[in-house]
Amino acid sequence: GDSVTQMEGPVTLSEEAFLTINCTYTATGYPSLFWYVQYPGEGLQLLLKATKADDKGSNKGFEATYRKETTSFHLEKGSVQVSDSAVYFCALIQPYTGNQFYFGTGTSLTVIP
Amino acid sequence: DSGVTQTPKHLITATGQRVTLRCSPRSGDLSVYWYQQSLDQGLQFLIQYYNGEERAKGNILERFSAQQFPDLHSELNLSSLELGDSALYFCASSRLDSQPQHFGDGTRLSIL
Repeated sequence: GDSVTQMEGPVTLSEEAFLTINCTYTATGYPSLFWYVQYPGEGLQLLLKATKADDKGSNKGFEATYRKETTSFHLEKGSVQVSDSAVYFCALIQPYTGNQFYFGTGTSLTVIP
Repeated sequence: DSGVTQTPKHLITATGQRVTLRCSPRSGDLSVYWYQQSLDQGLQFLIQYYNGEERAKGNILERFSAQQFPDLHSELNLSSLELGDSALYFCASSRLDSQPQHFGDGTRLSIL
């Protein structure tokens, strides 16, 4: 079945460090891929998405590229801020054959000044 | 503000009881999704409704049920509650199937 695997956390970085959170997926066909972010005490917010191979999603300095050859959608940011501290979820959905979102387990990021 | 409203924000009850969680989707969204987030299971999809009809089912227990009303708001009913049902329950909505989902702030359910 379809699934998403994220790198284990927690991740702790200093401000202005480079961030990579790995995400790989298992799915048939051409799923759409998403990154959601959950700030403390809040619901999940869509961060970025990509709907086809080689698409790059970007938002708020975060980027992720849909790599079909490696079935990956790694999240990157060149310079993290304290305000980026949150839990990040990778997710996929099959646009035409299913309605269920498959979420990864989440990666907790803490950025220290 | 995602536009998805969940009530109540917090709920404390005892084992064996029944509770109802409510969700109002964003204006114009036809799909409503329910998720359970717990420390040991992560974020799990429970069930989806689309324009009043059940659309997809995930890891939803038989003690749990949901419905979507004509005004598109949805309720998740949890009965015969157990300690392990303590979790954050999120509702999300989207305009159509498979569109990015917008999440509410969740209802935190604590079973004593």
